[in-house]
Amino acid sequence: ETGVTQSPTHLIKTRGQQVTLRCSSQSGHNTVSWYQQALGQGPQFIFQYYREEENGRGNFPPRFSGLQFPNYSSELNVNALELDDSALYLCASSPGLAGSLSYEQYFGPGTRLTVT
Amino acid sequence: QKEVEQNSGPLSVPEGAIASLNCTYSDRGSQSFFWYRQYSGKSPELIMFIYSNGDKEDGRFTAQLNKASQYVSLLIRDSQPSDSATYLCAVLNQAGTALIFGKGTTLSVSS
Repeated sequence: ETGVTQSPTHLIKTRGQQVTLRCSSQSGHNTVSWYQQALGQGPQFIFQYYREEENGRGNFPPRFSGLQFPNYSSELNVNALELDDSALYLCASSPGLAGSLSYEQYFGPGTRLTVT
Repeated sequence: QKEVEQNSGPLSVPEGAIASLNCTYSDRGSQSFFWYRQYSGKSPELIMFIYSNGDKEDGRFTAQLNKASQYVSLLIRDSQPSDSATYLCAVLNQAGTALIFGKGTTLSVSS
């Protein structure tokens, strides 16, 4: 267990709806990253938050947004859900500074989102 | 688009054998490399990372890095059925903010 928790575990939404996923980082970790993993693919980077600021973003549209709170927990919000948004959403926290060579990221259990 | 390539497998080895997993990457400026293990239906678990050319050993696992060839590999000695999983290679982007993953190699260890 990494100490990273995510909620909910599973979620079913309808196309066009909005969803909020939550993540609590491991104690002492101040950086949180979100990834999307489609079936049979590797995780794809959505964005990263460091000290409550977005610190990098992957190739995802603006309807994917996020927040980080003072306790370093984080939310991922997705608006106007599309069928292709069905995936495992992973949160990862890191004890290191972005840019350091040993920038390990530890994943939570994930949220399985199904859009119908 | 920076890419990380892995053979999807499956790679099948008998129990006790050495499993060799390979990964190539396109960004010559990449500095840090990570191996994750992912069991079916679970999230990725960090096995080890490497950022210097050569070998790095941790128990039954050895990571090998050759930056000139843009190649990183993972050797698993004395493979066990519990090692059966998908192994993901990841490269840290130059900004140092995101991991770029390959699609993973599925390893099957038969008893």
